Amino acid sequence: QVQLKETGPGLVQPTQTLSITCTVSGFSLTSYYMQWVRQTPGKGLEWMGFIRSGGSTEYNSEFKSRLSISRDTSKNQVFLKMNSLKTEDTGVYYCARAHRGPKGFDYWGQGVMVTVSS
Amino acid sequence: DIQMTQSPASLSASLEEIVTITCQASQDIGNWLAWYQQKPGKSPQLLIYGATSLADGVPSRFSGSRSGTQYSLKISRLQVEDIGIYYCLQAYSAPYTFGAGTKLELK
Repeated sequence: QVQLKETGPGLVQPTQTLSITCTVSGFSLTSYYMQWVRQTPGKGLEWMGFIRSGGSTEYNSEFKSRLSISRDTSKNQVFLKMNSLKTEDTGVYYCARAHRGPKGFDYWGQGVMVTVSS
Repeated sequence: DIQMTQSPASLSASLEEIVTITCQASQDIGNWLAWYQQKPGKSPQLLIYGATSLADGVPSRFSGSRSGTQYSLKISRLQVEDIGIYYCLQAYSAPYTFGAGTKLELK
């Protein structure tokens, strides 16, 4: 059974770095693209980037200078790191699974709420 | 960036009514369009992918269609469990972009 679960810090101070882990089960990271999407009060749902089944990445230029996505296939984990956080980065961060091709993001994690505040 | 203009922003409908939500893409995105439903406190759930294909486990009262760069989600007979916010997403070219959402309520 496919499962995704995000874990993260909850509260991060402005200018600091956010680190979130997405732990998956029921499928292999080498067979799917893994997406990161966030939902903020100011901008709604925003696509952040993905890591392909082969390990290469693509980022939304909105975040490119401060966003990094990586993975550890042996641990079935995907990582999001974003630096220079601002209060506007407060929101819920989701990981989601995607096939190659126009098949949508078929499984999502429950999301992790991140608050950026001093 | 490709803009997805979603309408209406909110919609009030009665049980068993037909509901239609649309997304207009700012340029050609082929069939790289998906629809999601989100309920309060939950993650988005895939309803339709490839513009017209029903995701696994989604009731057949949901359907998707395409006319050029306009995409529509139709609920043929609204049920109580369909209440929520609906979003379209284009994944044709990065940055992928979501519509602003349609809040569906019961009349």
